[in-house]
Amino acid sequence: GAGVSQTPSNKVTEKGKYVELRCDPISGHTALYWYRQSLGQGPEFLIYFQGTGAADDSGLPNDRFFAVRPEGSVSTLKIQRTERGDSAVYLCASSSSAGDNEQFFGPGTRLTVL
Amino acid sequence: GEDVEQSLFLSVREGDSSVINCTYTDSSSTYLYWYKQEPGAGLQLLTYIFSNMDMKQDQRLTVLLNKKDKHLSLRIADTQTGDSAIYFCAERARGSARQLTFGSGTQLTVLP
Repeated sequence: GAGVSQTPSNKVTEKGKYVELRCDPISGHTALYWYRQSLGQGPEFLIYFQGTGAADDSGLPNDRFFAVRPEGSVSTLKIQRTERGDSAVYLCASSSSAGDNEQFFGPGTRLTVL
Repeated sequence: GEDVEQSLFLSVREGDSSVINCTYTDSSSTYLYWYKQEPGAGLQLLTYIFSNMDMKQDQRLTVLLNKKDKHLSLRIADTQTGDSAIYFCAERARGSARQLTFGSGTQLTVLP
């Protein structure tokens, strides 16, 4: 079946601009996670949704970052007033309620802020 | 706080066994994971182990967990060139937290 998909695969923007990154989880998965992976590092947790609500947003670095999941499926990560330090690969993962110990990752969106 | 550490590089000859090591600090970890990342790709879940187990085998992969020393290892038998990738160790803490804490990854290079 289809895995987690993310769009766009690459995004180049200028400092100060607003960007939206989209994640389509595996169909039926209730939990959705966003992580950020900087070059040479492992992924770092940003936010976790259970259904439509953000169950844990403790990893969001500041209030320029926001994520929504209005219908409990697709999620959008929004970054305002982008900074060069936001450049990274943004990864999305999902898990089912029955197997919530397994997180399946998408291919990521590479964000470059010039 | 939580911290997961791995050595950065490992090289092995094709056909040999590879052993990738990881240490973690959170004694409340419930699950420990190994993910594989190939260039330009996302993370592929290879295997995971529950914290009350000390070994798990899955085809060419063997995971060993030493809870006393907070040490996790991944052994790949008969390593192939297609196994060349970055391998990440990750832990999930006990309780309501669902997020994973990852190490920085070990770059495995398989030499012909």
